[in-house]
Amino acid sequence: AQKITQTQPGMFVQEKEAVTLDCTYDTSDQSYGLFWYKQPSSGEMIFLIYQGSYDEQNATEGRYSLNFQKARKSANLVISASQLGDSAMYFCAMSPNYGGSQGNLIFGKGTKLSVKP
Amino acid sequence: DGGITQSPKYLFRKEGQNVTLSCEQNLNHDAMYWYRQDPGQGLRLIYYSQIVNDFQKGDIAEGYSVSREKKESFPLTVTSAQKNPTAFYLCASSYVRGSEAFFGQGTRLTVV
Repeated sequence: AQKITQTQPGMFVQEKEAVTLDCTYDTSDQSYGLFWYKQPSSGEMIFLIYQGSYDEQNATEGRYSLNFQKARKSANLVISASQLGDSAMYFCAMSPNYGGSQGNLIFGKGTKLSVKP
Repeated sequence: DGGITQSPKYLFRKEGQNVTLSCEQNLNHDAMYWYRQDPGQGLRLIYYSQIVNDFQKGDIAEGYSVSREKKESFPLTVTSAQKNPTAFYLCASSYVRGSEAFFGQGTRLTVV
């Protein structure tokens, strides 16, 4: 069965510093997609970044980058230059399809990030 | 503006009653999804639909029902058979191939 593990229930980071949020996944499939979503206290899920299992380059989107280590089955999110508005829950998720429907997702339990001024 | 609209934002239900949560999207997405989130947990898939008049069960479909009569709409009914319905419900939509899912603002359901 596919599974996402986020081992950090909470993290603190100083404003303007970088932070890494851990995510490991378990699947026997060769074709899959990995996502990170941000959930502020208002509740909506905001898409941050996507990595396909066949993508050789690590994905980057502005201040977000995904450190994809396929052999270790890890997909850590790196946020550079943290801002106060980055304080939120962050969820790692996996889709069983590469290039297919991306809404059928398996989520981890999340990491609560708090940015200190 | 394009997006996904869930209503209501807060919903209270008496035990034994069915209740329907609304989800509408104007993104022209083919696929729509319902997720449930419990405190301190990630999201779990209830139902999804990739085409009108067709839908599939997710991991926790028991006690829920859906319909997909229009491309834009995917309402979720929480039935009295759902033993622990108090939760935060999120609706999402995406193209069937190759795009991320977009989420609505969620409905917080409380059984009183």
